[in-house]
Amino acid sequence: KQEVTQIPAALSVPEGENLVLNCSFTDSAIYNLQWFRQDPGKGLTSLLLIQSSQREQTSGRLNASLDKSSGRSTLYIAASQPGDSATYLCAVDSGNTPLVFGKGTRLSVIA
Amino acid sequence: ETGVTQSPTHLIKTRGQQVTLRCSSQSGHNTVSWYQQALGQGPQFIFQYYREEENGRGNFPPRFSGLQFPNYSSELNVNALELDDSALYLCASSLQAGRETQYFGPGTRLLVL
Repeated sequence: KQEVTQIPAALSVPEGENLVLNCSFTDSAIYNLQWFRQDPGKGLTSLLLIQSSQREQTSGRLNASLDKSSGRSTLYIAASQPGDSATYLCAVDSGNTPLVFGKGTRLSVIA
Repeated sequence: ETGVTQSPTHLIKTRGQQVTLRCSSQSGHNTVSWYQQALGQGPQFIFQYYREEENGRGNFPPRFSGLQFPNYSSELNVNALELDDSALYLCASSLQAGRETQYFGPGTRLLVL
């Protein structure tokens, strides 16, 4: 059974700092991994999707990496801004099964 | 092209009541998945519908049931509500079942008193 863990559970950083969010999963037989952003009480916004054959994906200040063999992914946020404050969720798609989510990392960027 | 929409946005019910939540899938998508997200937790898979038939179910009791209509919109019904059913309910649609990106709606916040 696939399990997804996200560390840390919460993170507070000053504006402008670069930061890394971590996601680990127990079964390396995945199809893709997706990072989402969730604002309080809101739905999920997809940030980046990495296929199992890829090593990383970039979008603006965000860079996500995937090491399938070790069961790890990281989300790197450069030059953080107060508007980046949200919960970031990692979800694994093992193909023909539902998405399995971590519990998320709650990020606060302090101005 | 419209995205995934859900209604209502918020709902308050009392224990023992029944509730119906609705989801309109993104244009061209024939698969809808429902997730429950309790406070401080990641979303948990409830079930998926593909072309009007259930296509997988998570670890939820039978009082959680669903429907998918010919236009691929979907309903989630919960009977005999319990306090622990209070959560954000998310709907996601995809082009078809299997290895396809899921697109999430804004969710319905359910509070059971």
